[in-house]
Amino acid sequence: DAGVTQSPTHLIKTRGQHVTLRCSPISGHKSVSWYQQVLGQGPQFIFQYYEKEERGRGNFPDRFSARQFPNYSSELNVNALLLGDSALYLCASSPNGPDEQYFGPGTRLTVT
Amino acid sequence: KNEVEQSPQNLTAQEGEFITINCSYSVGISALHWLQQHPGGGIVSLFMLSSGKKKHGRLIATINIQEKHSSLHITASHPRDSAVYICAVRKVRQFYFGTGTSLTVIP
Repeated sequence: DAGVTQSPTHLIKTRGQHVTLRCSPISGHKSVSWYQQVLGQGPQFIFQYYEKEERGRGNFPDRFSARQFPNYSSELNVNALLLGDSALYLCASSPNGPDEQYFGPGTRLTVT
Repeated sequence: KNEVEQSPQNLTAQEGEFITINCSYSVGISALHWLQQHPGGGIVSLFMLSSGKKKHGRLIATINIQEKHSSLHITASHPRDSAVYICAVRKVRQFYFGTGTSLTVIP
């Protein structure tokens, strides 16, 4: 069985640009969560989606948005990129709620 | 102020040693998770706890809800246990993460 997949693996963007990160959950998992991990720190919770609805939101500005599609895959969008948005973005899926999390390999975003 | 505090931040051990990593949190929680992160970023969920104790091979996790404290123990540590161990707690719909404990096990 495939695990959680994320694309792209690495990405370099310029300040002010927009980025879209993608996540495909484990088959049968209906919940997807997004996290930001800045180098040397623990992950920070951004969003949780369940059955295409936002169920949780961390302390991130409105430049960050996400959505979940009918096939339960998800996109994280970040507008007006700042240097501080450079981080590893992790996606995790779970069968129902956010409890048992299965993490993807992450997308490493560098903003120059 | 971090809702989740871990100690120690860094830990070096000799192969075979018994290791303890501690996690204290300040919010009421639904569940506590222990995660393992290897260089390169991949995260593996080790345990999810809401009470008591769980064991997986050489790993043991305990939680004391009243004291808002959890410990992760590794028995007979091995170099392949070298990784960052992260404590995370879930409160309603929010997750809070510790900054991690970097463990190096020397052969």
